[in-house]
Amino acid sequence: DQQVKQNSPSLSVQEGRISILNCDYTNSMFDYFLWYKKYPAEGPTFLISISSIKDKNEDGRFTVFLNKSAKHLSLHIVPSQPGDSAVYFCAARSNDYKLSFGAGTTVTVRA
Amino acid sequence: DAGVIQSPRHEVTEMGQEVTLRCKPISGHNSLFWYRQTMMRGLELLIYFNNNVPIDDSGMPEDRFSAKMPNASFSTLKIQPSEPRDSAVYFCASSPGGQGNSPLHFGNGTRLTVT
Repeated sequence: DQQVKQNSPSLSVQEGRISILNCDYTNSMFDYFLWYKKYPAEGPTFLISISSIKDKNEDGRFTVFLNKSAKHLSLHIVPSQPGDSAVYFCAARSNDYKLSFGAGTTVTVRA
Repeated sequence: DAGVIQSPRHEVTEMGQEVTLRCKPISGHNSLFWYRQTMMRGLELLIYFNNNVPIDDSGMPEDRFSAKMPNASFSTLKIQPSEPRDSAVYFCASSPGGQGNSPLHFGNGTRLTVT
């Protein structure tokens, strides 16, 4: 039972433009949301997080937006760079240890 | 500053053989997780340790799987006997808290192929 869903398996964007990655969740008990980035043959690396008391968190080129009523979050990357080409995972947890991951979205940034 | 270290990076074995995967977490992290990644099921939690104690092993698929954490700097995941359906990438991750916004720090994984 997938509690975290990333419905777009892939995204292609031109360098310099905005990348928008979407994530939906079903568990209303989730309080913390994290985004991870993964390159081939490497482990996922933490990118940015947001707690449910906020609706936006920004870190440099990366911004995460949370809409609790819609159970939806998104990651914006502006501007997109070639090094951003990777798989991005959305993850969520309630106030415990169990982190549930989405299936991932493969981002390709075109020069 | 070394991250989470996993060994081996690749393991190819025959069905029925014992496989042992190893993990060294980041020093000072008191939470350790083993995850498995497959095309069908994505990233799924196998087992969670806190302060070297197994807290949740509900994700361990079968009795063929076992995990230990004899001390704060070492953990193993063992599969005995291995089967072709165990082929996957196995990740170890550690965290200073393991809850809330505390992110998991992943190793580079062990790609297991069982023939």
